[in-house]
Amino acid sequence: DAKTTQPPSMDCAEGRAANLPCNHSTISGNEYVYWYRQIHSQGPQYIIHGLKNNETNEMASLIITEDRKSSTLILPHATLRDTAVYYCIVRVDSGGYQKVTFGTGTKLQVIP
Amino acid sequence: DTAVSQTPKYLVTQMGNDKSIKCEQNLGHDTMYWYKQDSKKFLKIMFSYNNKELIINETVPNRFSPKSPDKAHLNLHINSLELGDSAVYFCASSQVGSRRSSYNEQFFGPGTRLTVL
Repeated sequence: DAKTTQPPSMDCAEGRAANLPCNHSTISGNEYVYWYRQIHSQGPQYIIHGLKNNETNEMASLIITEDRKSSTLILPHATLRDTAVYYCIVRVDSGGYQKVTFGTGTKLQVIP
Repeated sequence: DTAVSQTPKYLVTQMGNDKSIKCEQNLGHDTMYWYKQDSKKFLKIMFSYNNKELIINETVPNRFSPKSPDKAHLNLHINSLELGDSAVYFCASSQVGSRRSSYNEQFFGPGTRLTVL
């Protein structure tokens, strides 16, 4: 079962930063936060993950609050190609292996 | 080069038929997965194989039988197809190795849209 809460949809103007929030108030101390996105009719694509420190890569930045109960994915300069459903996920262990459980995600619409 | 490929991309069939979906990854990963995305867009894991061994088996009808002939392939066979099996099925892979406690990015295939009439 998903352990995260995200707004169902958001709009962002092209060229502006897109800030996608996620609540994970029941996260355990050793659970990571991951973000994937799914562009229409394609398979999900990994974006970034983190434990407690903020993370940045070529795609996005991940800001995790100090209490780790929420996080924000930041796309610094959104483009039309960033229109997708963004999933915030916390790890679920299954016999020592990770089971990635997707929630309903946030549908991000980048507007020209 | 395609990292994770699935065939066919579209599959339309009648109720009661048996069908297979093939998945291949050329990333050298040791773990492969099958996910089902229904009409409401919920994406749920079905199976996971590590080095050809089944490690995750969610509550899936036994009409669904994954088969992993080698580390690079994980096929999904479905018997006696039902209307409710209509969905998009995604294959994925990752490199887990011996470090099970650390996360490894999953790479997804393009999906197979199954329609049962």
